[in-house]
Amino acid sequence: GQSLEQPSEVTAVEGAIVQINCTYQTSGFYGLSWYQQHDGGAPTFLSYNALDGLEETGRFSSFLSRSDSYGYLLLQELQMKDSASYFCAAPSGNTPLVFGKGTRLSVIA
Amino acid sequence: GAGVSQSPSNKVTEKGKDVELRCDPISGHTALYWYRQSLGQGLEFLIYFQGNSAPDKSGLPSDRFSAERTGGSVSTLTIQRTQQEDSAVYLCASSKSRGHTDTQYFGPGTRLTVL
Repeated sequence: GQSLEQPSEVTAVEGAIVQINCTYQTSGFYGLSWYQQHDGGAPTFLSYNALDGLEETGRFSSFLSRSDSYGYLLLQELQMKDSASYFCAAPSGNTPLVFGKGTRLSVIA
Repeated sequence: GAGVSQSPSNKVTEKGKDVELRCDPISGHTALYWYRQSLGQGLEFLIYFQGNSAPDKSGLPSDRFSAERTGGSVSTLTIQRTQQEDSAVYLCASSKSRGHTDTQYFGPGTRLTVL
């Protein structure tokens, strides 16, 4: 089958660091993507990992371990505007992108 | 440049009616995708187009759903004889090509409510 598992909810304090994990089981593997979606908004691309290791883009970093079928999104210096849902996604078989169910991040003061 | 646009933004219909949802991709993007998102849920893949062709229609939930794309641009998703379980946000995305590394750019979605 094809599935991506991630926690349903995470709460973190403003200014802190939070890690959102994703484990996947897909048919073939070509890389792991992360998307952000604010309530009522469209998903927007955050990052993509094709190879093992850490990719850094400003306050956001994404990590991939293909041997463990695992990745995570790391958000540093959390801001209130980071409150959103975060989805990991990967191609699987004939499907261009299969999305996880999303992790709802709440940033509190 | 302009992003992906979708119309209508909201659609309320009665059970049993047919609806058409429209997607205008980013100019020059050859790949176009349709997803469905129920409240608080993830994105359910429906179908994608490479040019005007849809190589795999197995993601469509039932034979009441169909999609087409003409001129390598605009796409319409049609739902016939709508049911209440069809209520969801329908999202369209486009990318430069169907490659695994190509970022998908999403439109704002059409919120469909079936009464």
